[in-house]
Amino acid sequence: GAVVSQHPSRVICKSGTSVKIECRSLDFQATTMFWYRQFPKQSLMLMATSNEGSKATYEQGVEKDKFLINHASLTLSTLTVTSAHPEDSSFYICSARDPLAGDTDTQYFGPGTRLTVL
Amino acid sequence: GQNIDQPTEMTATEGAIVQINCTYQTSGFNGLFWYQQHAGEAPTFLSYNVLDGLEEKGRFSSFLSRSKGYSYLLLKELQMKDSASYLCAVLDSNYQLIWGAGTKLIIKP
Repeated sequence: GAVVSQHPSRVICKSGTSVKIECRSLDFQATTMFWYRQFPKQSLMLMATSNEGSKATYEQGVEKDKFLINHASLTLSTLTVTSAHPEDSSFYICSARDPLAGDTDTQYFGPGTRLTVL
Repeated sequence: GQNIDQPTEMTATEGAIVQINCTYQTSGFNGLFWYQQHAGEAPTFLSYNVLDGLEEKGRFSSFLSRSKGYSYLLLKELQMKDSASYLCAVLDSNYQLIWGAGTKLIIKP
């Protein structure tokens, strides 16, 4: 199946700093990638949809100036958490849709990045 | 509003069979997914149903009834490694994934 990687897998940073998370589709080209966050014992929450070559579409309540998304190529999307605060500590997961996977619209998930802001 | 319901937690015995139900009310329907998520890890794709009926994949099967807004995931010959959360998600008319809260499955020896 399609493989999606994320880097880093774990990051600890100080309050006020910025953190960049990379999401890569390794064996397919993804025109659309998604960024989710998940708090402990809760379901996934979609933050934004990232389209290659255009601006990301953010979900209601997600600050676009705080969570910067760049989808510069068909295999790479980045999420930058700017001026991170402890309440931003969460598990961030990206996923990508393989356009050649038939009609299933299946999303393949990266392994996730655990962000801890001190 | 859009809503997906699944039990919060279920317990089953190793070697047995368990059925995890999912009911949904969404604006439109373009398919239903089941994902498995182990604690601290990202979800893994299990199955996709868009037509009524049963899809079988090894020990896992998924069933869909669109008229009833209902799906279930059936796990046979349970193994300890099947202990995980199982997430039901529906693709709505805008091709947005609507997620259930997940069912935590606990397998006992």
